[in-house]
Parts: sequence; structure tokens; C-alpha cells
Amino acid sequence: KNEVEQSPQNLTAQEGEFITINCSYSVGISALHWLQQHPGGGIVSLFMLSSGKKKHGRLIATINIQEKHSSLHITASHPRDSAVYICAVQYYKYIFGTGTRLKVLA
Amino acid sequence: NAGVTQTPKFQVLKTGQSMTLQCAQDMNHNSMYWYRQDPGMGLRLIYYSASEGTTDKGEVPNGYNVSRLNKREFSLRLESAAPSQTSVYFCASSGQGALGYTFGSGTRLTVV
Repeated sequence: KNEVEQSPQNLTAQEGEFITINCSYSVGISALHWLQQHPGGGIVSLFMLSSGKKKHGRLIATINIQEKHSSLHITASHPRDSAVYICAVQYYKYIFGTGTRLKVLA
Repeated sequence: NAGVTQTPKFQVLKTGQSMTLQCAQDMNHNSMYWYRQDPGMGLRLIYYSASEGTTDKGEVPNGYNVSRLNKREFSLRLESAAPSQTSVYFCASSGQGALGYTFGSGTRLTVV
């Protein structure tokens, strides 16, 4: 079993929809990261969480340490949100999920 | 612009050739990392450097060497390239700050 599991692997949404991407992990962590990888390949850090919830624009990230679970929400999705979203956990090392490929249709 | 600069962006090597991937950051970050990304797999850590003068192996270090030349620069060397090293390589750095990581734009390496 992978230490970091993301779901769904692929997601297609219509513009304006509310989107949720999930990340579950099996180890005790000090922090969890959400990253965005654009079709061109560049990777951008979106959030680093150790508890609770963070919001940046239309993006919201939450984490439940007891349940070892995090979610990334996108409100009012837009085609420019199309990307691969990657969850990574930090303990004595970093482990990355394989990503969720999101496509938002106009 | 502040960030991580990674060169080259593309490279084709013949089996057995050597090359060095360069990475430099101007954010005064202590930690730097080299990752590889392969289809269907998450990013995997090759080597990292927690601070200037220190380097440690990651998950997949075989076939690679690194040098932390100074606080800004962290290079990755392939001494004798193999087709299994065909991948996209990312350099990253981290330090104090809310977002954690900053990534370079990646190097797409093909070994034939």
C-alpha cells in the first residue's frame, strides 16, 4: 500500500463546479503540502498545512491529523485550474502522491 | 525574479555519457532537493542537502552524485547515463515561509 493515496486519479468538471481532491496517508507527519503541476510541467506550491484549514483565493485546503486525511477544494472552477494536483507528506522525508489530473471544461 | 533556476531544460544523452544538471536559488533557502518524476509515479527524491556542506541520499540515489557548491547552488551529476535515467528532473528548495517548496522548471532528460 502506498504511504500517500490520492483520489480521484482523474477528474473532469464543468466550469463553475465545486471540486474536491482527497489525500490519505498512513504515517505520522509534521506537515502536508499541496502542489499544482501545470501542463507545461512547472510545479507550484499551493499550501503547506500542519493543522486546520487554509484558504487562498478560490482554493481551500483542510487537514484532519487524527484521520490522516487532507482535502483540496476549488470553488467556482475555471479552465485555467486544469492541472495535476499533488499531495506530499513530510515526516523524516517527503513522500509524494501520484497526483490527481483535473480538467475543467468551459 | 526570485526563484529556482534549473539548466538545461532539455537534454539527450547516449548511454554511458556523463552530464551535470545545474540548480541555483536566490531565496536564501537552507534546504535543496533533486527529484525525478516518471509517468505514473510520484516525485521521488534522489538527493537532498539540508544545509551548505551537507548532502544525503534520498529514495533513488543510485547512479547519481551531487554537490552543494555553496548555499545557492546544488548540482546533480550522472557519471554514466543509462536509459533507466530517462526522466524529468526537478530541483527544489525550501526554507522559512508559508509555502514550503519552490521548484525549478524541470529538465527533461532522454538517454538513448
